[in-house]
Amino acid sequence: ELKVEQNPLFLSMQEGKNYTIYCNYSTTSDRLYWYRQDPGKSLESLFVLLSNGAVKQEGRLMASLDTKARLSTLHITAAVHDLSATYFCAVDFGNEKLTFGTGTRLTIIP
Amino acid sequence: NAGVTQTPKFQVLKTGQSMTLQCAQDMNHNSMYWYRQDPGMGLRLIYYSASEGTTDKGEVPNGYNVSRLNKREFSLRLESAAPSQTSVYFCASSEGRRSSYEQYFGPGTRLTVT
Repeated sequence: ELKVEQNPLFLSMQEGKNYTIYCNYSTTSDRLYWYRQDPGKSLESLFVLLSNGAVKQEGRLMASLDTKARLSTLHITAAVHDLSATYFCAVDFGNEKLTFGTGTRLTIIP
Repeated sequence: NAGVTQTPKFQVLKTGQSMTLQCAQDMNHNSMYWYRQDPGMGLRLIYYSASEGTTDKGEVPNGYNVSRLNKREFSLRLESAAPSQTSVYFCASSEGRRSSYEQYFGPGTRLTVT
């Protein structure tokens, strides 16, 4: 079965702290995507990871992909309030579509 | 470029009524998708179209039909709406080639069935 699991599902963290969101998937893939969704809004693309060892960074967010471990991480550095959102990872299993994780709802507390 | 557009933005239906949600993209993408998102939930794929002229069922196709009208447009039809279909519906598109299945999402349609 093709599965994508994210943890944690909910994360409440203080401003200025660091944290990591994990995305595990069930079978071979070397293509993974991260999205952000603000409350009441649509999904916007954050990162595209297309090979083992890929690392992408934008601002306080950094995403990486380890295809051997079937794991991607989204690392948040020195969190600020405007990073509060729900984050989804999605995996291309080669079946013409993406399989999405359940999402991680991140709340940054002042 | 407008990207992915959806109409309507909001809709209220009574049980048993029918309606069509419209989606269009101007990025010359091959693949298009329909998802639903229930409160506090992730995305569930309803139907997708890997290329013009083809459509396939996703995870939750029951109660829905789709039409890939041309390369730009992909519509979702509810023939007889039920309260369980109250949800936010997102359309998305991607190039669909092996190089990248990165999906671009429309703004969503909020549907309430009473």
